[in-house]
Amino acid sequence: DVVMTQSPLSLPVTLGQPASISCRSSQRLVNSDGNTYLNWFQQRPGQSPRRLIYKVSNRDSGVPDRFSGSGSGTDFTLRISRVEAEDVGVYYCMQGTHWPITFGQGTRLEIK
Amino acid sequence: QVQLQESGPGLVRPSQTLSLTCTVSGGSISSGGYFWSWIRQHPGKGLEWIGYIYYNESPYYNPSLKSRVTISIDTSKNQFSLKLRSVTAADTAVYYCARDSTYWGQGTLVTVSS
Repeated sequence: DVVMTQSPLSLPVTLGQPASISCRSSQRLVNSDGNTYLNWFQQRPGQSPRRLIYKVSNRDSGVPDRFSGSGSGTDFTLRISRVEAEDVGVYYCMQGTHWPITFGQGTRLEIK
Repeated sequence: QVQLQESGPGLVRPSQTLSLTCTVSGGSISSGGYFWSWIRQHPGKGLEWIGYIYYNESPYYNPSLKSRVTISIDTSKNQFSLKLRSVTAADTAVYYCARDSTYWGQGTLVTVSS
């Protein structure tokens, strides 16, 4: 299985400040179709995961533009330009290039 | 807007079969191009993809669970289902159904206990 390693696992951030989460995969995530199936999810307390970013850098509908994704190969990053109170939760990266689909262990974002 | 809703027993006895159904609304399960998935989350832990199925294709199962899992589609009810056999306490988790990775159900907690 492809191992997805996130860092940090805990991320205290001051409101209005930026935040960044790293995700590294144990194998390259470029698919034979040329796409890189790396997604980012947010899971607020008590809620289902919500996809924020798909194929590395594409924001899902309704996702604020303060969220952005970047990366290639095995190294990927989720950035929040200015953290708001509603951003509290756990963030997961997920690879869909190799079966089985696997997730990172999650990064817990909290307000400092 | 596609919506998914899991249903099934919240308590399953050890060695029995866990059976869950996902009812899809706002779209047809037989429309092509989407895969229908089951994912679980152990209490306080991360996410594990159990398997998925495309309409009119064979399902894909996580190798770690393959010997115990069946995922199937019922187009007449616009539902798909999960069966996990020979459960143990390690199968206690919140189970989610999803369409692709875009739309998720609210999740249902299944506890395995005698």
